[in-house]
Parts: sequence; C-alpha cells; structure tokens
Amino acid sequence: GAGVSQSPSNKVTEKGKDVELRCDPISGHTALYWYRQSLGQGLEFLIYFQGNSAPDKSGLPSDRFSAERTGESVSTLTIQRTQQEDSAVYLCASSLISGAEAFFGQGTRLTVV
Amino acid sequence: KNQVEQSPQSLIILEGKNCTLQCNYTVSPFSNLRWYKQDTGRGPVSLTIMTFSENTKSNGRYTATLDADTKQSSLHITASQLSDSASYICVVTSSGGYNKLIFGAGTRLAVHP
Repeated sequence: GAGVSQSPSNKVTEKGKDVELRCDPISGHTALYWYRQSLGQGLEFLIYFQGNSAPDKSGLPSDRFSAERTGESVSTLTIQRTQQEDSAVYLCASSLISGAEAFFGQGTRLTVV
Repeated sequence: KNQVEQSPQSLIILEGKNCTLQCNYTVSPFSNLRWYKQDTGRGPVSLTIMTFSENTKSNGRYTATLDADTKQSSLHITASQLSDSASYICVVTSSGGYNKLIFGAGTRLAVHP
C-alpha cells in the first residue's frame, strides 16, 4: 500500500475485554515498531520487529500485552484483560531497513471504559 | 541507558517569530538523528535526518543542527506560521547490534496569531 495502515482507527472496549489492533506496514519494509501515546504525552516504545530476528519486547508494559508479525507483513498487537490505563493512541511505524526513516500510521485510538 | 531528552516540554510563540527546540541524547553507538513533526491526531512525519558527520541541515524554514561531541541537536524554526503548531519529536537511531529508534518525549509548539 501507499502508507502504513492501522485498524481500527477507533476502538472502545469494556474493562476486562481483550482487544486486537492491526498494522499493515509499507510493502517491503523489514522493520516494524509499535508505540503508544497517552493524551498529551510522548511516544512510548512497545515492541520492535526486524525481519526474522527475535523481536525486541523490552517496551511491553505487562504480560497482558503481546504482538506478532507474520514475516515482513501484517502485525497485530493484542491487549488482554484491558484496563483503563491502557487507553491511548497506539501507533505503528515501519521502515525499509533498521535505522531508516520510519513512516507512521494514523494510529488506533483505544478507549477502555 | 539510551535516552533522548527534549526541551522545552511546551512552547508558545507569536506568528512570525523564531524559536529553537533542543534535544540531548545519551544513545550509543549513534547512527543518526531525526526530527519528526506530529500534527494533532496524526502520526509523526520526518522533517530532517542528521548523520554523525553533519553539523547542520535545512528544510525550508526548519534548520537542524547536530553536535556529536556534546550529543546535542537543535531544531530552529524561522518566521513561524500557524501551521507549525505541532509536537516536534527528536528520534535517535542506535546502531548497536539491533538498530532501534529511541524517541524523545517531544516539544509541543503552539503558534498564536
């Protein structure tokens, strides 16, 4: 596609429910990043995929968070048993190679009520 | 620990005035530094990229500087416009084995008429 696509754009869920966020990176981009941004705050790194290497999961805030990526294509970020503090905008970015310019999606705004 | 710190956290200026945003980093080994602009409700978009050997680079009314010795970068905006109102994020890439983007928290700039 022309850019990084994320879905859904908005998600409202009840506390305790599981949610799955999707990211379609730019075709051919080997690196993929997930970040989250709370209201008025900076970007918080969550997880990084680079090709077939083991992902860098050092930013995941708890074991309720997990992410997968199939090869060099789609990635899904799953949050289990959502909490109100999980409410944020979740941004996905991809880059052609590690360290190259990252292109961001529009984000998924998650609201946990 | 690899860190990127930005200042000020927020800034308000009048249209037509200049401003300078600061970025200090402790990332090592260093690969490159980018300034991103993030408009409200959108993903960040790259403005400039600075490599180790570059001291200054301009992109229209934006001029970025890099001092690799002191590990400082600045983004200077001249003749500000209302459309410059956004968050400006400093991002440093580490080349240490597993390249990863390290984000600063950003400076929120508001340009008032």
